[in-house]
Amino acid sequence: SQQGEEDPQALSIQEGENATMNCSYKTSINNLQWYRQNSGRGLVHLILIRSNEREKHSGRLRVTLDTSKKSSSLLITASRAADTASYFCARTKPYNNNDMRFGAGTRLTVKP
Amino acid sequence: GAGVSQSPRYKVAKRGQDVALRCDPISGHVSLFWYQQALGQGPEFLTYFQNEAQLDKSGLPSDRFFAERPEGSVSTLKIQRTQQEDSAVYLCASSLEFRTGGYEQYFGPGTRLTVT
Repeated sequence: SQQGEEDPQALSIQEGENATMNCSYKTSINNLQWYRQNSGRGLVHLILIRSNEREKHSGRLRVTLDTSKKSSSLLITASRAADTASYFCARTKPYNNNDMRFGAGTRLTVKP
Repeated sequence: GAGVSQSPRYKVAKRGQDVALRCDPISGHVSLFWYQQALGQGPEFLTYFQNEAQLDKSGLPSDRFFAERPEGSVSTLKIQRTQQEDSAVYLCASSLEFRTGGYEQYFGPGTRLTVT
């Protein structure tokens, strides 16, 4: 069963717009990671945010974490057609970094 | 260096056949993971190795699924008496760290298994 839930399930935007995807989870976490998957490059790690962090940036990516609401968001700014992919959040539990559970993903389409 | 590789990339099996899926992790990576990904879903954890030790196999869906990593590098996921519900993409991932603190996993391209 999926342990994280992303929303929306699908998102379609124009190139240059920002894309925001959300992830909710049910149990306490040690860290939360975002991954991207497309047919060309498979599943690729984007960014990791630890439970004691609230925000992280990496290039055009911004991730926030609200442990009180058990939710995270991924913002992609100035989107490009190459950002078209499925985006997954994955969380690890405290005391077990090896148990990483993925959500069902958000399918992002960026139209040129 | 080279990333995680998996073979075969595609496998078609008749129901009841046994299959073996291979994973070559990144050299030196201690941890190795297997996931099952159904169409339109996220990867589901199957099992985890630290070197040659299988520390967690709680995600294996049935006793028809078996994984091994005898020398702490290459791993094989074996599915016996395949069923149609086993059709999925099987992903392998490896990572360098295994202690607390968090780390990223490097994924292979996957093996797409179709059981007919």
